[in-house]
Amino acid sequence: ETGVTQSPTHLIKTRGQQVTLRCSSQSGHNTVSWYQQALGQGPQFIFQYYREEENGRGNFPPRFSGLQFPNYSSELNVNALELDDSALYLCASRQGNRGSYEQYFGPGTRLTVT
Amino acid sequence: GESVGLHLPTLSVQEGDNSIINCAYSNSASDYFIWYKQESGKGPQFIIDIRSNMDKRQGQRVTVLLNKTVKHLSLQIAATQPGDSAVYFCAERDNYGQNFVFGPGTRLSVLP
Repeated sequence: ETGVTQSPTHLIKTRGQQVTLRCSSQSGHNTVSWYQQALGQGPQFIFQYYREEENGRGNFPPRFSGLQFPNYSSELNVNALELDDSALYLCASRQGNRGSYEQYFGPGTRLTVT
Repeated sequence: GESVGLHLPTLSVQEGDNSIINCAYSNSASDYFIWYKQESGKGPQFIIDIRSNMDKRQGQRVTVLLNKTVKHLSLQIAATQPGDSAVYFCAERDNYGQNFVFGPGTRLSVLP
């Protein structure tokens, strides 16, 4: 196990609703990245947080937002859910900003939008 | 734009044989690459990495080869075991260094 935990494990939401996913980073890691993984595809970068600030973002609309807390845990919020948002959402943590890129992934949250 | 892809979506090998998983990338400016293993129901697990100033790096039973001339990356697994069955992703660091671009993955199946 990597020490990165995510909750909930599974979630079912209706189109138009809002969802919050949570991630606890590995002890000592101050950088958290979020990825979306559609079925049968590789993870796609959503954004990264370093010391409570977003410092990198992929090609995702503003309705995908996040937070990082002083203990470096993080949340991913998605507003106005669409059917295509159904995916596995992964968070990954690592130490440092531009140092080591060896990041550790959590098990993911499986989101289904109906 | 950048893209990372894999030549083979599935690969079946006999237990004990060596496996080779290939990956093509399009961004010649990428300077860092990682191979990940993802088992069913789990997040991707770091296997091995390589920087663009190297052409080979070895780990325990795994070797990564980088050919920058043809923008090709490969992962070699020696003496493949049933526990190696998983989906393998190559990923390249993007131009800004804040995230990785993942390929679609190759499923490795180890036959008894």
